[in-house]
Amino acid sequence: TQLLEQSPQFLSIQEGENLTVYCNSSSVFSSLQWYRQEPGEGPVLLVTVVTGGEVKKLKRLTFQFGDARKDSSLHITAAQPGDTGLYLCAGGRNNAGNMLTFGGGTRLMVKP
Amino acid sequence: DTEVTQTPKHLVMGMTNKKSLKCEQHMGHRAMYWYKQKAKKPPELMFVYSYEKLSINESVPSRFSPECPNSSLLNLHLHALQPEDSALYLCASSQFIRGRGSPLHFGNGTRLTVT
Repeated sequence: TQLLEQSPQFLSIQEGENLTVYCNSSSVFSSLQWYRQEPGEGPVLLVTVVTGGEVKKLKRLTFQFGDARKDSSLHITAAQPGDTGLYLCAGGRNNAGNMLTFGGGTRLMVKP
Repeated sequence: DTEVTQTPKHLVMGMTNKKSLKCEQHMGHRAMYWYKQKAKKPPELMFVYSYEKLSINESVPSRFSPECPNSSLLNLHLHALQPEDSALYLCASSQFIRGRGSPLHFGNGTRLTVT
């Protein structure tokens, strides 16, 4: 079983602060996806990274895939209350169909 | 608004009841999934359908019975559930089942409570 560990599990910060969420594994993934889930809703895809060392930016969010494709990070600059939610990383593997391994999630709360 | 529609949003059922959860997508996706999510936990895969055929059953108890009537619809039939089956049941779809990880499009889920 591929294991993806996310840290921290919970983060409570003030509006305007920066934060980084980590997603780590001892296994190699062919792709890494990040989702955000708000209460009462399903997860929504934020980004997919597939190349080792790849960096993608989505407004104030920066996603990075590790060179060895075993880890990923999500950095949020100047967090806003609207960023509050559960952030999930999910790894995909070649020859495994579209079976994603989800990390345990990071619950982020941004206080105004 | 999500492009994957799930009904009902909430369901309360007794342990002897039979009920069904429904999911619909019109994005032309050929893979559809059922996930179970307990509070403060990530989604856990239950079933995968590819081209309307059951592709993966993650050792789910037989009291959960999936059905894919056509490429747009996915049902989950429930019978004789236990209180520990209470959870958020999420339906998802993706363009393909193979590849490097085709992104999943999730519905907003059905919040199931078994009494």
